[in-house]
This record gives sequence, C-alpha cells and structure tokens, in this order.
Amino acid sequence: QVQLQQSGPGLVKPSQTLSLTCAISGDTVSNNNAAWHWIRQSPSRGLEWLGRTYYTSEWYYDYAVSVNSRIIINPDTSKNQFSLQLNSVTPEDTAVYYCAGSGNFYRAWGQGTLVTVSS
Amino acid sequence: DIVMTQSPDSLAVSLGERATINCKSSQNVLYSSNNKNYLAWYQQRPGQPPKLLIYWASTRGSGVPDRFSGSGSGTDFTLTISSLQAEDVATYYCQQYHSSPYTFGQGTNLEIK
Repeated sequence: QVQLQQSGPGLVKPSQTLSLTCAISGDTVSNNNAAWHWIRQSPSRGLEWLGRTYYTSEWYYDYAVSVNSRIIINPDTSKNQFSLQLNSVTPEDTAVYYCAGSGNFYRAWGQGTLVTVSS
Repeated sequence: DIVMTQSPDSLAVSLGERATINCKSSQNVLYSSNNKNYLAWYQQRPGQPPKLLIYWASTRGSGVPDRFSGSGSGTDFTLTISSLQAEDVATYYCQQYHSSPYTFGQGTNLEIK
C-alpha cells in the first residue's frame, strides 16, 4: 500500500518560494507505471491540480497553465521522494497543498499542508 | 480544459435512504480504444485528504463498502450511495483523468436529513 508523507513550512512570505516535499513508501518515484502529482485546495479555487512528474525511460513534467511559469516538480530517486517548488507566491497561493499518486487517479494522498502566504 | 460540473451542490438524505450525486464533463472522457471512462470519485471528510471511492467510473477502490457505486459513460456520471450511513457525511468530488490538466468537480456536500 502506497503511503505519502509531506513536509515543509506552513508560512511563506509574499514574493518568496513555497517548497514542499513528499516522501513515498510502498512504491518508487521512478516506477514506469506511476505518476506523482501536486494538488491544492482552497475555498475560492476548490481542488486544483498543479502538476505531475513521471518516468518512462526519461523524466517527464506536466504543469497547469495557471502556475506554469512559477512551478517546478522535482523527483529525487536517492530519497524516493518528489518536491514542489512554487516561486513568487502571493496571498492567492494560500491553500492546503497535497501530494498524490501513484497514477492519474489518486489511491494515495499526503496528509496535506496548510500553506499561508503572509508577511 | 475539461470542466466538471456536479449537481446538486448540497444534498440532505435520511439515514438508510439512497443518495445520488451527478457529474457532467464538458468533453467525452471515454477512450474508445480501451472502452474505459477516465472518471473517479472521492470522499472528503473535514480536515482529511480526499479518499478514492471509485475509478474507471464504476470500479470500487480497495476497502470501499459496496453501498457505494458508480455509473455512467461519456459525459454523464452518477455516484450512488444505496443506504446512507452516518459516516457517509462528507463532501464528494468527481475527477477526470482523461487529459491534462486533471480537473475536479466543485464538490457536493452530503448531510443527514
């Protein structure tokens, strides 16, 4: 059974970078049949898919247009985890952030991290 | 982007009665090559992440009680709870995974009447 454990700060200042990590157990980040996603949830936007990474002979990345210029999702095979980096945050990025996997529908979810963007 | 629209936004059902939630996609989420509908349903209780209930429109997730069922094809889908239990109070979401960006419905709040 796949389990995901999130870590990272809950408070980020405007214009700075939001960084979260998702550790995987019960699967590997480089599994050819898996994909690893970041999703956020806020009252104004509902559940919003941010992006994913997956490996099939090489690494692929797929991002939502709304955050495409600010987002990086990075796999780390040595630690069996993947990360989210969202640059130049504003208060509109305040949300609960989830990692999810291991396909394109989500059997496994992280516990969620409330990230508040505030000075 | 494929827009997912759920109805109703909220629903109150008596214990033991049937609950029905609808989901409509703005584009077909059925792949004709494998005859699969790329549609999932999730349950979310307050303070928790969503939990997978149904995938491929009608396949129950691991450990999901059989009172939960999914149906539909193409653009119109339904989640049915055959006999509502107290622990089913939650918000329910549909999601399409046919094409990126993977989009969710706005959610349906289910409560006890």
